[in-house]
Amino acid sequence: GGIITQTPKFLIGQEGQKLTLKCQQNFNHDTMYWYRQDSGKGLRLIYYSITENDLQKGDLSEGYDASREKKSSFSLTVTSAQKNEMAVFLCASSIARDNYAEQFFGPGTRLTVL
Amino acid sequence: AQKVTQTQTSISVVEKTTVTMDCVYETRDSSYFLFWYKQTASGEIVFLIRQDSYKKENATVGHYSLNFQKPKSSIGLIITATQIEDSAVYFCAMRDYMTNSAGNKLTFGIGTRVLVRP
Repeated sequence: GGIITQTPKFLIGQEGQKLTLKCQQNFNHDTMYWYRQDSGKGLRLIYYSITENDLQKGDLSEGYDASREKKSSFSLTVTSAQKNEMAVFLCASSIARDNYAEQFFGPGTRLTVL
Repeated sequence: AQKVTQTQTSISVVEKTTVTMDCVYETRDSSYFLFWYKQTASGEIVFLIRQDSYKKENATVGHYSLNFQKPKSSIGLIITATQIEDSAVYFCAMRDYMTNSAGNKLTFGIGTRVLVRP
């Protein structure tokens, strides 16, 4: 088994601020993902990474940067927080070799922008 | 672009009965994978069950089963003998086509909230 940890659990920022969210996994999975979840909406993919130092844009990448420093960690940066923005950011991971591999999710980081 | 649609916003059922929720999808791929995930009130998201498009038989795991109707591009989730702890939001997802086989880019529906009451 393994676990995904996300820090911080809650993040409060100011409009225009640059904010960084971190994710660590000990599954030894190759692929990691960042999703955004807004109330009443499904999960939308921001960035994913299929191996260390790889980055692939998802459908919602504008306004975000990501970094895969090593296999076990994947960071997401909100480049300029938008006023009154509220969302949950979810990190996930999966093995790379299977097309049908399930994704394992972290507990999320809840962002509020004042 | 791939699309996954869940039209039922919420469903309420009595404990120990069966609940069925719908999902329809759009894809140009001849081979694809469909998933259901569960999000509990605490926010935890867990994988439940998968259907491979090339398999005719419906997938079953524990008290979860799927109703796969390929001609209708439909993948319904059925939960039998529901329990209070089945109360959650259920997401349908589809694996996007990728030029390489690494990774698993999923498109999610907006979810169906299920309330199981005593």
